[in-house]
Amino acid sequence: DAKTTQPTSMDCAEGRAANLPCNHSTISGNEYVYWYRQIHSQGPQYIIHGLKNNETNEMASLIITEDRKSSTLILPHATLRDTAVYYCIVREGTGGFKTIFGAGTRLFVKA
Amino acid sequence: SAVISQKPSRDICQRGTSLTIQCQVDSQVTMMFWYRQQPGQSLTLIATANQGSEATYESGFVIDKFPISRPNLTFSTLTVSNMSPEDSSIYLCSVGRGRNTEAFFGQGTRLTVV
Repeated sequence: DAKTTQPTSMDCAEGRAANLPCNHSTISGNEYVYWYRQIHSQGPQYIIHGLKNNETNEMASLIITEDRKSSTLILPHATLRDTAVYYCIVREGTGGFKTIFGAGTRLFVKA
Repeated sequence: SAVISQKPSRDICQRGTSLTIQCQVDSQVTMMFWYRQQPGQSLTLIATANQGSEATYESGFVIDKFPISRPNLTFSTLTVSNMSPEDSSIYLCSVGRGRNTEAFFGQGTRLTVV
């Protein structure tokens, strides 16, 4: 599986959009981009995933660049409860179901 | 979605003993995985629990230390054997239904070895 690079930490003001970047320059054609988050003392929670098109659900939007070498997770209106570690993961979509975690980005949402 | 129940949620154990952690899913799933999360660290995959056959271990993890069972499509156990304080971690169960689908995680078992 391709490796990802994320900022160690980020701050965001409550009510503003949180934009979390991820670089995955070695991603291959059959690998999907997944985002999870882990709120303190809980198991990771799935947020969103995509292959090459932008995706949106009730939690967030995922913007993937045309060359697929990077992506951005957008939380449109961050709240204090969005404070968590966010993990960007690339995973093969055709057979390997293992989810391999990197260090992630620690997002602090401040009032 | 999948609802995952892990037992126990936490335990304090003496060094040299073993602890078996249970993972129960509310529906049949294709894949089950076990992770370890050491204090302040990210999640590390221990192994894939295969139904009816031996688990597939990641580099650095061995069956003698972390035996795993998976008797059916909804249940798995992870045993942490001959524990030392370095085994103090959160152990998490994860499940998946196949390609292009998300993984679901239990709330974890917080293990402290004294």
